[in-house]
Amino acid sequence: EVLLVESGGGLVQPGGSLRLSCAASGFTFSRYWMTWVRQAPGKGLEWVANIKSDGSEKYYVDSEKGRFTISRDNAKNSLYLQITSLRVDDTAVYYCVTFTPGGWGQGTLVTVSS
Amino acid sequence: QAVLTQPSSLSASPGASASLTCTLRSGISVGTYNIYWYQQKSGSPPQYLLRYKSDSDKQQGSGVPSRFSGSKDASANAGILLISGLQSEDEADYYCAIWYSSASVIFGGGTKLTVL
Repeated sequence: EVLLVESGGGLVQPGGSLRLSCAASGFTFSRYWMTWVRQAPGKGLEWVANIKSDGSEKYYVDSEKGRFTISRDNAKNSLYLQITSLRVDDTAVYYCVTFTPGGWGQGTLVTVSS
Repeated sequence: QAVLTQPSSLSASPGASASLTCTLRSGISVGTYNIYWYQQKSGSPPQYLLRYKSDSDKQQGSGVPSRFSGSKDASANAGILLISGLQSEDEADYYCAIWYSSASVIFGGGTKLTVL
């Protein structure tokens, strides 16, 4: 069974940085694309970034290019999202997702506030 | 116009069937894409329900009951999630998604399903 566990969220001041992590198990992590999705309070789902199985291709939502960096360590079955220059509107639950095989983590809450 | 459009809400009675639609923007053919469906209950993360491209190319999520099924309506250019034998526990938000150009992902705005 796919298990994804995010960590690294918390309260951050505007302009700060954060690195989110996702530990994967229950599937062959190195074979699959991975994705970060976020959900602002009371809002819908928003795709943030994708990374290919070997890390050679990365794609970001247009509005966040330059501030977000997705990466992975297949030896550690781990996915990461580095976020810089955090803004109040980055406040959201960030989910680690695999579309194939299907699975979502429980999410990690990022709150940006002074 | 949004890439994926879902009705904001839908109500149905227990035991009935509910058909949730995910309409693709004109010029984007539903036949080209896998349609992913997710269920999100209040206060919980989304759960993967199924992927549907065609009757011969589909995947049910692990542990997802067979009363959740996918299809497409080519004439409406829409993906469909059919939930049969509705139960109170099916009350949730439902989201569709596609992998769009350059490996980006698009989500629909979600449909709030009320079972009453």
